[in-house]
Amino acid sequence: ETGVTQTPRHLVMGMTNKKSLKCEQHLGHNAMYWYKQSAKKPLELMFVYSLEERVENNSVPSRFSPECPNSSHLFLHLHTLQPEDSALYLCASSQDGTESTDTQYFGPGTRLTVL
Amino acid sequence: AQKITQTQPGMFVQEKEAVTLDCTYDTSDQSYGLFWYKQPSSGEMIFLIYQGSYDEQNATEGRYSLNFQKARKSANLVISASQLGDSAMYFCAMRGLYNFNKFYFGSGTKLNVKP
Repeated sequence: ETGVTQTPRHLVMGMTNKKSLKCEQHLGHNAMYWYKQSAKKPLELMFVYSLEERVENNSVPSRFSPECPNSSHLFLHLHTLQPEDSALYLCASSQDGTESTDTQYFGPGTRLTVL
Repeated sequence: AQKITQTQPGMFVQEKEAVTLDCTYDTSDQSYGLFWYKQPSSGEMIFLIYQGSYDEQNATEGRYSLNFQKARKSANLVISASQLGDSAMYFCAMRGLYNFNKFYFGSGTKLNVKP
């Protein structure tokens, strides 16, 4: 595998379910990100991890819980979601997130539908 | 505050012709990076091109070039010899030196290439 991978690619869940999104990067990067992309809205940065430590949490509801066990893996745990949480969830990684030249590389996304 | 503006929600271009996608930005940082991404209907955000604020020459990557006008705070993407596969959403993004791990994205431009 190369680049950034995300699983599953599609997920349908009920509001009472618990599920997890997985992201893995094979680029040797130290920073990883979760974004939410809703229809007709700009990308929303949700969480940022650098060297496995969370450095950014943009006022995301607690029903979204991130986990970064190492610099290659990032999870987003979901529970008791709402229909308005239906969106494309994109994972990205970058070298270290400290320079303005730092480029983010994205995974293919998980398209989430909450019923 | 950082801000990216893309004023063209949709654009049409004839196959094999060139097209320019507009992007203006606002920042008080002295050092920053500007990025363009392509998002096909599949969802993945594909990195296209990067321009640093101190780069004197406009960035080029194959058929993509960035028309960087620092005084006007614009970073327009030029796609030469458009292909049908170029039909997608295009996002301009910026990262400042003092905004650790934050990328600011514009609202995007949907490009349709006509045969």
